[in-house]
Amino acid sequence: QKEVEQNSGPLSVPEGAIASLNCTYSDRVSQSFFWYRQYSGKSPELIMSIYSNGDKEDGRFTAQLNKASQYVSLLIRDSQPSDSATYLCAPRKGGSEKLVFGKGTKLTVNP
Amino acid sequence: NAGVMQNPRHLVRRRGQEARLRCSPMKGHSHVYWYRQLPEEGLKFMVYLQKENIIDESGMPKERFSAEFPKEGPSILRIQQVVRGDSAAYFCASSPRGGPSYNEQFFGPGTRLTVL
Repeated sequence: QKEVEQNSGPLSVPEGAIASLNCTYSDRVSQSFFWYRQYSGKSPELIMSIYSNGDKEDGRFTAQLNKASQYVSLLIRDSQPSDSATYLCAPRKGGSEKLVFGKGTKLTVNP
Repeated sequence: NAGVMQNPRHLVRRRGQEARLRCSPMKGHSHVYWYRQLPEEGLKFMVYLQKENIIDESGMPKERFSAEFPKEGPSILRIQQVVRGDSAAYFCASSPRGGPSYNEQFFGPGTRLTVL
């Protein structure tokens, strides 16, 4: 089982729609979870962090965490073409400081 | 408010040469992490350092790779006798502190290493 699994996509949504990105992880001890956005040829940019079960909203972004199911998701409301990027899910490995990255989901928002 | 700085942004080396990658953390940050992203692969953790200390090097290849974060100056990732398989993007991240869960890592622009 991979440590972090994400659908590679591409996920294509029309402008204005909700994009839903999903991630499952294997480390039951993980307590901190991060979503990064990476444009092609650029570095990862932190967009959301979540530490407790439930939802966390920040602007158009909502992160959802369910530790019992080992599942974390990211919703992007009112998707814009500028949201087109690869989204990386990164739990912090339990008992350490290292982030374990999934391969990412490539999102395309069509005008 | 400068972010994480890395240089050089692009580095070309011939097989057998040495590569030195530098990283200056964000102001106020004392923890540095190095990650590598191979073509079509995900980001992989390499090493975690604090000033003058290597805390976790579990992701570092056993040979040819080393890292340091001296009391003064940037963190250095050193690759000796580079091979073509070392061609990748190397990213540095920094955080204000380690330990507690609420510790976000911010990435620099990366160094893209090409080995000819």
